Amino acid sequence: GENVEQHPSTLSVQEGDSAVIKCTYSDSASNYFPWYKQELGKRPQLIIDIRSNVGEKKDQRIAVTLNKTAKHFSLHITETQPEDSAVYFCAASISNTGNQFYFGTGTSLTVIP
Amino acid sequence: DGGITQSPKYLFRKEGQNVTLSCEQNLNHDAMYWYRQDPGQGLRLIYYSQIVNDFQKGDIAEGYSVSREKKESFPLTVTSAQKNPTAFYLCASRGTSGGNEQFFGPGTRLTVL
Repeated sequence: GENVEQHPSTLSVQEGDSAVIKCTYSDSASNYFPWYKQELGKRPQLIIDIRSNVGEKKDQRIAVTLNKTAKHFSLHITETQPEDSAVYFCAASISNTGNQFYFGTGTSLTVIP
Repeated sequence: DGGITQSPKYLFRKEGQNVTLSCEQNLNHDAMYWYRQDPGQGLRLIYYSQIVNDFQKGDIAEGYSVSREKKESFPLTVTSAQKNPTAFYLCASRGTSGGNEQFFGPGTRLTVL
């Protein structure tokens, strides 16, 4: 089955700096890669996603890159703000099916004011 | 918030008791999922269902049971066989035609006294 690894497990950055979180996956059949943000005690919320036919996607301060050959994808947050502090999860799945999502173990991001 | 609800928000159970967590969605999604999250941990899949009257075990199904009699509902029963049931339980659903995103419910925090 699919195996998703996520690094780092914790990350601290100064406000205004950039943060990068990386994930790798093992199953070449995976073609949908979402990123979720989870604040303490709350539900995970989708912040950005990418399909395998695209190499990069950007939404304001957030971007995701995908390297299908190397089987890795990354989340980039620029100009970080204290409200970006949360746990971020990457995941891999096959789109348009009811198949399961395979989640990374999460990255706890702290933005220091 | 995404049309998926869970109840109750907090649940207390005595050791040896079975308890059922509710999950309802009005998104017309075929697929539904149950995850367990322990403090500082990622999401672990308990069970998932791709269609009514069908479900599959996830990575940690022991001590849990589910049913999927209606498309809208996917209740999870935590049985007395689950040795360490105290955790945050998240339900999710996903459309299987035209969409990829997995929507999460607000979660139920179960505490065994």
